[in-house]
Amino acid sequence: AQTVTQSQPEMSVQEAETVTLSCTYDTSENNYYLFWYKQPPSRQMILVIRQEAYKQQNATENRFSVNFQKAAKSFSLKISDSQLGDTAMYFCAFMKQYSTGNQFYFGTGTSLTVIP
Amino acid sequence: GAGVSQSPRYKVAKRGQDVALRCDPISGHVSLFWYQQALGQGPEFLTYFQNEAQLDKSGLPSDRFFAERPEGSVSTLKIQRTQQEDSAVYLCASSFPTSGTDTQYFGPGTRLTVL
Repeated sequence: AQTVTQSQPEMSVQEAETVTLSCTYDTSENNYYLFWYKQPPSRQMILVIRQEAYKQQNATENRFSVNFQKAAKSFSLKISDSQLGDTAMYFCAFMKQYSTGNQFYFGTGTSLTVIP
Repeated sequence: GAGVSQSPRYKVAKRGQDVALRCDPISGHVSLFWYQQALGQGPEFLTYFQNEAQLDKSGLPSDRFFAERPEGSVSTLKIQRTQQEDSAVYLCASSFPTSGTDTQYFGPGTRLTVL
């Protein structure tokens, strides 16, 4: 079974500063996908960034980037130039493709507050 | 529609009642997922459809839970004889490719409260 661990239940950051959210996972698989999702108070989950495990290059989306360490099974999210709109729950997720379909495993989330 | 919609947004049921939760995915999306999100937790996978075929239902917690997608578009998650532990937000997500590895678009969820 796969598990995803987010060890920081809550974090805060000053506006315009940089913050890093940590995520570790446990799997015996070699090929899989990793995601960070954002869930604002409205509860609609939004994909922030994704990483294919076979790619060594870290994914980047504007102010969001990841530090993917496959051997360490670590997948942290860095948010640069934090904005008030970044305040939300952030979930790390692991996905594995099976012949019968796909399964996603989510962490318990990190509540991020951006302070003006 | 522009996004995934779910109805109702809120549902209160008495213990023992049956409920039906609806998900309208983005038009043309092949893959559809249901998740259960308990308070303060991350979403937990329930089941996965590719078109009308339910390829994986290993996450359904008991035989009281049943999901269908008969025409490959709208999906319904049914919970029979609801229990208090069923209280949670039920999220639906859809994606276009058959592999499901592309971006999942989530609906706003249905918050179920069982009294």
